[in-house]
Amino acid sequence: AQSVTQLGSHVSVSEGALVLLRCNYSSSVPPYLFWYVQYPNQGLQLLLKYTTGATLVKGINGFEAEFKKSETSFHLTKPSAHMSDAAEYFCAVAPRGFKTIFGAGTRLFVKA
Amino acid sequence: ETGVTQTPRHLVMGMTNKKSLKCEQHLGHNAMYWYKQSAKKPLELMFVYSLEERVENNSVPSRFSPECPNSSHLFLHLHTLQPEDSALYLCASSQAETRQGLAGELFFGEGSRLTVL
Repeated sequence: AQSVTQLGSHVSVSEGALVLLRCNYSSSVPPYLFWYVQYPNQGLQLLLKYTTGATLVKGINGFEAEFKKSETSFHLTKPSAHMSDAAEYFCAVAPRGFKTIFGAGTRLFVKA
Repeated sequence: ETGVTQTPRHLVMGMTNKKSLKCEQHLGHNAMYWYKQSAKKPLELMFVYSLEERVENNSVPSRFSPECPNSSHLFLHLHTLQPEDSALYLCASSQAETRQGLAGELFFGEGSRLTVL
């Protein structure tokens, strides 16, 4: 069975600090991996995705994530947090078929 | 209009009412989804339609009834709901390679916030 675990339901950083949101997955087949962001009162939008090839993936708004097969991880990072990054972030895995499995989400707070 | 549009954005209904949520996608995708987002719970996949055929139904109570008349439109018909059904209902679409193929990136609407009194 596939699953996604996001460590920390809430993460708080200061503006300008490194953002690190952790995601571990389990999958019986090579997965496609995604990070989505949800701003208040909105739907989810794709930040970045890993399918095949280069394991370091760059996304929108300066975010990037690295697929580490040996660690079954796909952590999301951003070198310098901005106030506008405050949102909820979801890691997701799609092994095959239509069933994208989402993590429970991590809410990011950015302090001035 | 572009992307995925959901109406209404907010809905309040009593337990005996019948209402419908509507979703429309303008992306030319061939798969559409309903997700339920409740506080402090992971997103729950409710229904999947590919090429207008329902390919997944995740043990959703019969008080939720989906309808997909064409590849651009998706409805969720609601009747005799319970207060615990209050949630944000998200519609999404994607381009699937085959009927059972990999969904890839999901494009979400802004959601319909449902409150059941």
